[in-house]
Amino acid sequence: QVQLQESGPGLVKPSETLSLTCTVSGDSISSNYWSWIRQPPGKGLEWIGYIYYSGSTSYNPSLKSRVTISVDTSKNQFSLSLSSVTAADAAVYYCARDRLGIGYWYFDLWGRGTLVTVSS
Amino acid sequence: DIQVTQSPSSLSASVGDTVTVTCRASHSIDNFLNWYQQKPGKAPNLLIYAASSLESGVPPRFSGSGSGTDFTLTISSLQPEDFATYYCQQSYNTPGTFGQGTKLEIK
Repeated sequence: QVQLQESGPGLVKPSETLSLTCTVSGDSISSNYWSWIRQPPGKGLEWIGYIYYSGSTSYNPSLKSRVTISVDTSKNQFSLSLSSVTAADAAVYYCARDRLGIGYWYFDLWGRGTLVTVSS
Repeated sequence: DIQVTQSPSSLSASVGDTVTVTCRASHSIDNFLNWYQQKPGKAPNLLIYAASSLESGVPPRFSGSGSGTDFTLTISSLQPEDFATYYCQQSYNTPGTFGQGTKLEIK
């Protein structure tokens, strides 16, 4: 059974860097694309970006200047770094498995999500 | 960015009803449209991909249709577990923008 599990601090200070890791079990991280998606409390979903095991990435232009997604194939993990956070970055952060090919792109498996609060 | 607009934003229905949720894209996206269900406190769950393909394990009372700019999610014979929030997502290009959601409530 494939599972994704987010981990990282639940509280980040304004102007600091948010760092989260997604650990994949039951599937090789080298077989798919992997995304980060966030959801502010009570609001909708926003795709942050994805990474392929090779290190190839794509980011949401609205966050591109502050986002880095990286992969560690030896640990079957991928990570999110979001710099210079503000209150607007407070959200539940999800990691997800992408299915990406000719004619399709969708998220078929999600982690449970982790709530990140931004406060001093 | 391609914008996707869902309607209605909320919907009341009874068990056994058939309901339809609509998603409209700001530009043609062929059939690059996915539907997700989200229950309170849970991660979204994929229902439909590529506009009309049913994800494995999803009950056949869920169906999707459309292409270009206009899409629909239909839920037939509503069950108690179907009351949730539904999101569409365009996957024609990045960023894969989501609709604002449709909350389906029990009447």
